[in-house]
Amino acid sequence: EAGVAQSPRYKIIEKRQSVAFWCNPISGHATLYWYQQILGQGPKLLIQFQNNGVVDDSQLPKDRFSAERLKGVDSTLKIQPAKLEDSAVYLCASSQAATVQYFGPGTRLTVT
Amino acid sequence: QKEVEQDPGPLSVPEGAIVSLNCTYSNSAFQYFMWYRQYSRKGPELLMYTYSSGNKEDGRFTAQVDKSSKYISLFIRDSQPSDSATYLCASPEAYGSSNTGKLIFGQGTTLQVKP
Repeated sequence: EAGVAQSPRYKIIEKRQSVAFWCNPISGHATLYWYQQILGQGPKLLIQFQNNGVVDDSQLPKDRFSAERLKGVDSTLKIQPAKLEDSAVYLCASSQAATVQYFGPGTRLTVT
Repeated sequence: QKEVEQDPGPLSVPEGAIVSLNCTYSNSAFQYFMWYRQYSRKGPELLMYTYSSGNKEDGRFTAQVDKSSKYISLFIRDSQPSDSATYLCASPEAYGSSNTGKLIFGQGTTLQVKP
């Protein structure tokens, strides 16, 4: 069974630029999550989708972050414009039930 | 107060040692408890999860939950250099008897097992 796929793996941008990350969840997993992991911290949920509907985006900085999940499968997370404090690893996870989540390898973003 | 707290370490042990990793949590509604292992530059990988109080064993790993003291532990027996990683405890956010799916993570403990 293929795992959660993410791309790109690494991205370096300057502040005020925009960036987009892509996630393909495990086949059949209805729930998709985006987490932000700052160096030395545990992951923090940004947004949770159930199929293509948003369940929780309370921690998403909506003035600069946006996410969508078209057709209830793949998802993209966008940051525009990026700030220095957005430097982090962006993790995508998926699950069948609201308990066990499987994570992708993450995208490491550096904002200079 | 963070909902899940974990000593970041680092923790360094010799190969073959028994390792004890611990977390505390504040929300008494938490029901499921997970341990994830994260190697450098990789995503978290689920090691074990337990429901409510008690022990669960899987090979060299034992997860223990004490809900009365809100304490979560992961024991690694006969530790190997390949166990060197960051260990994250987590629990799904819970309200009453249901959980939302949103995982609340501890900070992670970095473990180094020296040959």
